[in-house]
Amino acid sequence: DADVTQTPRNRITKTGKRIMLECSQTKGHDRMYWYRQDPGLGLRLIYYSFDVKDINKGEISDGYSVSRQAQAKFSLSLESAIPNQTALYFCATSDPMGGLASGELFFGEGSRLTVL
Amino acid sequence: SQKIEQNSEALNIQEGKTATLTCNYTNYSPAYLQWYRQDPGRGPVFLLLIRENEKEKRKERLKVTFDTTLKQSLFHITASQPADSATYLCALDPRGGGFKTIFGAGTRLFVKA
Repeated sequence: DADVTQTPRNRITKTGKRIMLECSQTKGHDRMYWYRQDPGLGLRLIYYSFDVKDINKGEISDGYSVSRQAQAKFSLSLESAIPNQTALYFCATSDPMGGLASGELFFGEGSRLTVL
Repeated sequence: SQKIEQNSEALNIQEGKTATLTCNYTNYSPAYLQWYRQDPGRGPVFLLLIRENEKEKRKERLKVTFDTTLKQSLFHITASQPADSATYLCALDPRGGGFKTIFGAGTRLFVKA
């Protein structure tokens, strides 16, 4: 089983609909992230969370909200989806730097969202 | 403004040759720089991290250099294989621990047999 699991993997929806993307992890990491990937733009940070009580906006948080339900679960919501939110969304986790930790991000397989 | 630039044009090389990918950045003073591999339809996978006080890091057929004066990192794959074909992402980690890691758009590498 994957360490970072995203659901759904693919979703097509209509403008104005509410959408939730879910992420769960078995790595035991405290830090979780939501990124968006668009062709030619690279990965951009939407929200990040250092623990259940800590939620922070990233570079492009407008139009999105998140919920950290538990250490292992971090959900991304689009309250009213619009076509320019069509993208590939990735959840990621990390450990804080320390010792031999590399600071690497562990990514899920992605959720492809299409807003018509 | 702060930017990370990778060659947007795909790199095509012959099997067995060395592939060299470039990552340039402006207005950052990163403590770390990371390289990831991404296959189509998959999430990025971490390859290597190099710290600001390191000039070079190697892992098997991979080599990364980091020049903080030129604000540039080079990523080399020696004895390239068709299985190395993928998109390679450069990422800056200004404060360590994966805090607000910033990514380049990536360079697509094609290795022909």
